[in-house]
Amino acid sequence: QKEVEQNSGPLSVPEGAIASLNCTYSDRGSQSFFWYRQYSGKSPELIMSIYSNGDKEDGRFTAQLNKASQYVSLLIRDSQPSDSATYLCAPKGVRTGGSYIPTFGRGTSLIVHP
Amino acid sequence: GAVVSQHPSWVICKSGTSVKIECRSLDFQATTMFWYRQFPKQSLMLMATSNEGSKATYEQGVEKDKFLINHASLTLSTLTVTSAHPEDSSFYICSARDRVGNEQFFGPGTRLTVL
Repeated sequence: QKEVEQNSGPLSVPEGAIASLNCTYSDRGSQSFFWYRQYSGKSPELIMSIYSNGDKEDGRFTAQLNKASQYVSLLIRDSQPSDSATYLCAPKGVRTGGSYIPTFGRGTSLIVHP
Repeated sequence: GAVVSQHPSWVICKSGTSVKIECRSLDFQATTMFWYRQFPKQSLMLMATSNEGSKATYEQGVEKDKFLINHASLTLSTLTVTSAHPEDSSFYICSARDRVGNEQFFGPGTRLTVL
């Protein structure tokens, strides 16, 4: 069974600090990786995608991918209280019957306190 | 970015009635749409995958006769909760993916309350 593991948290960081969110996955065939942010009571929104080993930066967000270790992470610099949310890691998923089935981790709850 | 809409955003219904939720991709053709359910403080649970023009593929434990999914066009999928019961009260979220299939975009969700 394909699995995505995330620490459920909550991860609590002070405002202005770096928040580090980690994710491991079991499917060695995964080529695409996505991070979603979900505020309480809202649906997930895509914030980062990464396809190659290494780092990808977008504003205050940096995604890091290590396919050999089957590990993907998300760093949030200068964390703000508005970053408080649940962050979902999602490899593209496994192909079943012609479609890639998405696989999501349980998500890490991040709390940024003033 | 790609936009997915859902309607209604919330609905309250009586036990035993049916409720239809619409999911639309507004600026792209969604060859694949996914339906999720999420209970409070729990993770997303994939209910079914639907490809345009094909029957939906349901996840284990999801009753296909209770949760009817139709994906008749490249921009519209519907989920009908038939004979709804209070335990069906949940947050229903759809997502859509285009033919390239790398990213999926979520609708804003529909909160269903069954009295």
